[in-house]
Amino acid sequence: GENVEQHPSTLSVQEGDSAVIKCTYSDSASNYFPWYKQELGKRPQLIIDIRSNVGEKKDQRIAVTLNKTAKHFSLHITETQPEDSAVYFCAACSGNTPLVFGKGTRLSVIA
Amino acid sequence: SQTIHQWPATLVQPVGSPLSLECTVEGTSNPNLYWYRQAAGRGLQLLFYSVGIGQISSEVPQNLSASRPQDRQFILSSKKLLLSDSGFYLCAWSVGQTYEQYFGPGTRLTVT
Repeated sequence: GENVEQHPSTLSVQEGDSAVIKCTYSDSASNYFPWYKQELGKRPQLIIDIRSNVGEKKDQRIAVTLNKTAKHFSLHITETQPEDSAVYFCAACSGNTPLVFGKGTRLSVIA
Repeated sequence: SQTIHQWPATLVQPVGSPLSLECTVEGTSNPNLYWYRQAAGRGLQLLFYSVGIGQISSEVPQNLSASRPQDRQFILSSKKLLLSDSGFYLCAWSVGQTYEQYFGPGTRLTVT
């Protein structure tokens, strides 16, 4: 089955700097890669996703890149703000199989 | 638009007591439904998922069970709670080939 590794587990950045979180997956059949943001005590929220027919997708300050050959994908947050502080989860799946999640990255943006 | 409800929002139960958590989805038909558990400060553990009424797949053998009595209703149950069952229980839904999955507001369960 699919296995998703996520790094780093914690990340601290200064406000205004960029943050990058990386994930690798094992199943070459995976074709959908979402990212979720979970604020303290809240549900995970889908913030961006990418499908295997696309190499990069951007939405304002966040972007996701996918390298199918290397089987890794990354979340990029530019111009970080304190409200970006949260736990971020990557995930992967194929077909009708459930999402397999990474273990999460706790991002702290220091003002 | 689609909406997902979970109740109760919080629950404190003694060890050995039964459990029933309910999840309902509005605004869509034949959703895939999921139950996750999240221990404090940890990741998302998939417990059960269902692709249709009466169809339940279990990911982790334990003292929990799930049922889907109606198309948009998903229930998580236990006959006897353990201390280790404490956590944040999240229901989620997705539809067909879109793969996009959305979480409910969650139930925070404390077993004492």
